[in-house]
Amino acid sequence: EPEVTQTPSHQVTQMGQEVILRCVPISNHLYFYWYRQILGQKVEFLVSFYNNEISEKSEIFDDQFSVERPDGSNFTLKIRSTKLEDSAMYFCASSDPSGTYSNQPQHFGDGTRLSIL
Amino acid sequence: LAKTTQPISMDSYEGQEVNITCSHNNIATNDYITWYQQFPSQGPRFIIQGYKTKVTNEVASLFIPADRKSSTLSLPRVSLSDTAVYYCLVGSRGTYKYIFGTGTRLKVLA
Repeated sequence: EPEVTQTPSHQVTQMGQEVILRCVPISNHLYFYWYRQILGQKVEFLVSFYNNEISEKSEIFDDQFSVERPDGSNFTLKIRSTKLEDSAMYFCASSDPSGTYSNQPQHFGDGTRLSIL
Repeated sequence: LAKTTQPISMDSYEGQEVNITCSHNNIATNDYITWYQQFPSQGPRFIIQGYKTKVTNEVASLFIPADRKSSTLSLPRVSLSDTAVYYCLVGSRGTYKYIFGTGTRLKVLA
């Protein structure tokens, strides 16, 4: 079964440094998403992306965050100047507008654990 | 987006059927109901989705009454490996985001 893959599985970064989290969505999917989950808390929506532009973003997704689809297969999340509170699991998801289910369920990767020191 | 309410936790024994009910009183006409499972340190995994009545796949069934204000995820004959957090999500076609609640933490006991 096709899956969303994320790299690296664990990223340790010094506060203030830039970090890029990478995702390879399922190949025929056209909608892409980033979520995060702080340890012990809910999964929180960050941003959705379609047709090379942001469709929707949350309050969390401030100017420190950006997303990009640099080529036909990757989808990245960049945090420009990391803060301690950015420590979390970051999940990428994708969905297919013409899938079996009319409501295009999102398929998630297993995440990147980001630790800010 | 309609808000959902689920029990915070449930315990069950191996081999039993588990039913987790989700309340979504403000569900809109175009909204679908989707359930996910999440293990520690893993991403949410899609289980099942439905709009009305009953949907069944190889791992679960989803029961949705006529008023669609609630739904019940049914897991037949659970095993220890079904211990996880289960999320009920509501959204319409073209939903660009899911709003996750706290989910239901299911613990399956031997």
